[in-house]
Amino acid sequence: AQKITQTQPGMFVQEKEAVTLDCTYDTSDPSYGLFWYKQPSSGEMIFLIYQGSYDQQNATEGRYSLNFQKARKSANLVISASQLGDSAMYFCAMRGYIKAAGNKLTFGGGTRVLVKP
Amino acid sequence: SQTIHQWPATLVQPVGSPLSLECTVEGTSNPNLYWYRQAAGRGLQLLFYSVGIGQISSEVPQNLSASRPQDRQFILSSKKLLLSDSGFYLCAWKPTVNSPLHFGNGTRLTVT
Repeated sequence: AQKITQTQPGMFVQEKEAVTLDCTYDTSDPSYGLFWYKQPSSGEMIFLIYQGSYDQQNATEGRYSLNFQKARKSANLVISASQLGDSAMYFCAMRGYIKAAGNKLTFGGGTRVLVKP
Repeated sequence: SQTIHQWPATLVQPVGSPLSLECTVEGTSNPNLYWYRQAAGRGLQLLFYSVGIGQISSEVPQNLSASRPQDRQFILSSKKLLLSDSGFYLCAWKPTVNSPLHFGNGTRLTVT
């Protein structure tokens, strides 16, 4: 079974500062992928960044970076230089590639980020 | 280009009424398709997924069912809606094994 935990239900961040969103996971799958999605108030799910379990380097996409610590089973998202448009719900998700049938994506409960001007 | 369409965007239905939400994908063939539900302020819960025509896997026992009558069409149904069926329903598809899920714009269902 796969489990994703996001312990921060909500947080404020000052505009232009960096923010770290926590994500821990649990899986018995030897090969897996970790994803972060952004959900603004409109409801759409926007893919942000991906990290494979065997990737040697932490993933980066523009202002987004993923702090992947495999031994700790954590995949925290770092947003640098926060902008007002970053205010949204953020979801961590995981997919197992060997044991999980159907390549299902399991989501955490989400973290709501509000950027203050 | 590859796109996913989901409708309707919003729906208000009385308890006990039937439901049919439709999702179609364009620009690809034999995609994996998924239905998720999101309760207000919560994470996404996988309801059904399909790896091919007529192949449906259910993740959570519930009042809902899914069907895939065509390769790029995925339908979520209910014969009699319950109040607890209210939520935000998202259809998603995945182009390749390693790619992220691409989501439709969602259907906000309110059961009254």
